[in-house]
Amino acid sequence: DAGITQSPRHKVTETGTPVTLRCHQTENHRYMYWYRQDPGHGLRLIHYSYGVKDTDKGEVSDGYSVSRSKTEDFLLTLESATSSQTSVYFCAIMTGTGADTQYFGPGTRLTVL
Amino acid sequence: QKEVEQDPGPLSVPEGAIVSLNCTYSNSAFQYFMWYRQYSRKGPELLMYTYSSGNKEDGRFTAQVDKSSKYISLFIRDSQPSDSATYLCAMSVAGGTSYGKLTFGQGTILTVHP
Repeated sequence: DAGITQSPRHKVTETGTPVTLRCHQTENHRYMYWYRQDPGHGLRLIHYSYGVKDTDKGEVSDGYSVSRSKTEDFLLTLESATSSQTSVYFCAIMTGTGADTQYFGPGTRLTVL
Repeated sequence: QKEVEQDPGPLSVPEGAIVSLNCTYSNSAFQYFMWYRQYSRKGPELLMYTYSSGNKEDGRFTAQVDKSSKYISLFIRDSQPSDSATYLCAMSVAGGTSYGKLTFGQGTILTVHP
C-alpha cells in the first residue's frame, strides 16, 4: 500500500455525530487525496492537499472538511454524519514517479446509522 | 453525462480468454490515462498508465489510448482466475493547476472462471 495507513478501518456511528478519519503516509509525499467509493459511482474525489495547510475541494466535498498540519497526516472530518455518507473511504498519495499516478490506502468502511 | 463512462459489467469469461475493458471520456484535455485493479475489500492498485495516445504493453496486459475517439482500452491476454477483480479506468489533465486530480470510471467487475 505504498506506505499508507488508514484508521480506523471500520466504523459504525450514528447520524449527527462527528467522525474523523486519518490517513498516514511514511514517505513525505506532497500530494494527498480523499475519495469515497459507492456502487455505480466508482471513486469520487472529496478533498485533496498539495502541501501542509494547503487543501482544496473535490467533486463531492459538501459535508466534509479536511486538515493537514503535518506532511504525513491528512485528516477527513464529517462534521455531522448523515446516512448518505455511508461509504468506503480511500486515501491516496501521488508519488510523482510517473504521470499523475496515485497509490491508495486500504480503505475505511464507514456506516452511519 | 459523466466525464468518464465505463461499462460496469459484470463480465464473466472462461480462463484463457482475451478480455477487453473499455472507457470513453468527454474531456479532451485529459492527457494521462490509468488502469487500476481492485480486489474485493482492498484499495485500488495501479496496473498501467500511459501518456497521450498509443499502446503500452506489460506482460499479459496491453493499454491502448485513442485520443481522436476519446476511447481507452485494457486488454488482458490468457486471463486467469486471479485476474478476477474490479477494473477502474482513471484519467487526468497533465500539469498546471490540475494537482494530479483523477477522474475515475465506474469500474467493471470481471470474473474469470476456471
